[in-house]
Amino acid sequence: NAGVTQTPKFQVLKTGQSMTLQCAQDMNHNSMYWYRQDPGMGLRLIYYSASEGTTDKGEVPNGYNVSRLNKREFSLRLESAAPSQTSVYFCASRPWGGSNQPQHFGDGTRLSIL
Amino acid sequence: QQQVKQSPQSLIVQKGGISIINCAYENTAFDYFPWYQQFPGKGPALLIAIRPDVSEKKEGRFTISFNKSAKQFSLHIMDSQPGDSATYFCAAEGRRGANNLFFGTGTRLTVIP
Repeated sequence: NAGVTQTPKFQVLKTGQSMTLQCAQDMNHNSMYWYRQDPGMGLRLIYYSASEGTTDKGEVPNGYNVSRLNKREFSLRLESAAPSQTSVYFCASRPWGGSNQPQHFGDGTRLSIL
Repeated sequence: QQQVKQSPQSLIVQKGGISIINCAYENTAFDYFPWYQQFPGKGPALLIAIRPDVSEKKEGRFTISFNKSAKQFSLHIMDSQPGDSATYFCAAEGRRGANNLFFGTGTRLTVIP
């Protein structure tokens, strides 16, 4: 059971570089999410996709873009990386948005921007 | 503004002791309160959850206590073990929409042998 798979696991970028974080789930879930985790701040939602073909901003969307490529895949792009985007990024999915459905998380991408 | 406030930020407990983590919320539309457990290098995973129509839910050594009138809920870990050392996040969710899950800031629990 792969669940939610994130690639890469680690990445170091220079300021101004771009990159795409990949996420795929094999649970046939409709809703997918991108979070960033910073010390003392918990998990903050960047973008989410309620279903294939839709994406919406979360709490901290600035500096990021997303693509829901298909039902399985949801990517996060940093167009021009900044040191403030140094963080651990988590992708999550669940069957549908709404109550009583836990989110299933990947193991994260640790991103450092120099 | 933090939708769910969590304390303490860190907690050290002796093996066999009771670990208690507290959370509070303001939005009365929340109707689902999960707790997530996260080990180093891993993503969070659902530990236990409660709905506000009950005041307590127990699963093994883990218990959620819920006080609807005070808008507070807490996680109790009985007979804490070194293997429980992890970061714990409380969360709260409303009834509608795909984006209604709000996390607390996390509590790093260390259980000393």
